[in-house]
Amino acid sequence: AQSVTQLDSQVPVFEEAPVELRCNYSSSVSVYLFWYVQYPNQGLQLLLKYLSGSTLVKGINGFEAEFNKSQTSFHLRKPSVHISDTAEYFCALEVGGSYIPTFGRGTSLIVHP
Amino acid sequence: NAGVTQTPKFRILKIGQSMTLQCTQDMNHNYMYWYRQDPGMGLKLIYYSVGAGITDKGEVPNGYNVSRSTTEDFPLRLELAAPSQTSVYFCASSYKIGGANYGYTFGSGTRLTVV
Repeated sequence: AQSVTQLDSQVPVFEEAPVELRCNYSSSVSVYLFWYVQYPNQGLQLLLKYLSGSTLVKGINGFEAEFNKSQTSFHLRKPSVHISDTAEYFCALEVGGSYIPTFGRGTSLIVHP
Repeated sequence: NAGVTQTPKFRILKIGQSMTLQCTQDMNHNYMYWYRQDPGMGLKLIYYSVGAGITDKGEVPNGYNVSRSTTEDFPLRLELAAPSQTSVYFCASSYKIGGANYGYTFGSGTRLTVV
């Protein structure tokens, strides 16, 4: 069975600083990987996805993630965060051939002025 | 293009009451899902559907029922509401091309309180 682990439940950071939100996964078969963002009192919104090809994936709002198969990781990064990036971030995977995603428990990014 | 629409946005139920959470998508997606989100617990899959007329249980189906008579609609029924069903409920849909999932579109959620 597959699983997703988000290593940090909360990440505080100052505005304009870089940030990395960590995601590790476990699967014995090929996977598709996703990052979602949830702003307060809203649904989840797709930030970026890795399906195949280049391991560096660029998404919306200046975020990017790198797929590392050997380390089974898909960490999310942003070089300079804004107050408006304060939100909950979820890593998710889907095993190829399946249609049920597995979500991590989420990481709360808190950007301080 | 409305995406995934959920109604109502908020609801308070008394223990033992029943209700239906509505979910409609206008993107012609085959796959639809119902999740509940509890604080610090991420998303738990309740039910999902791979197409009209086909539904299956997820991780936490007890106390819920679904139907999928059309591609667009995927209502979630709560029978005999219990305090443990107090949560935020999200409906989502997705599509695949060549076996690859291109991501999920979520509704804005229904915040349900059972008292």
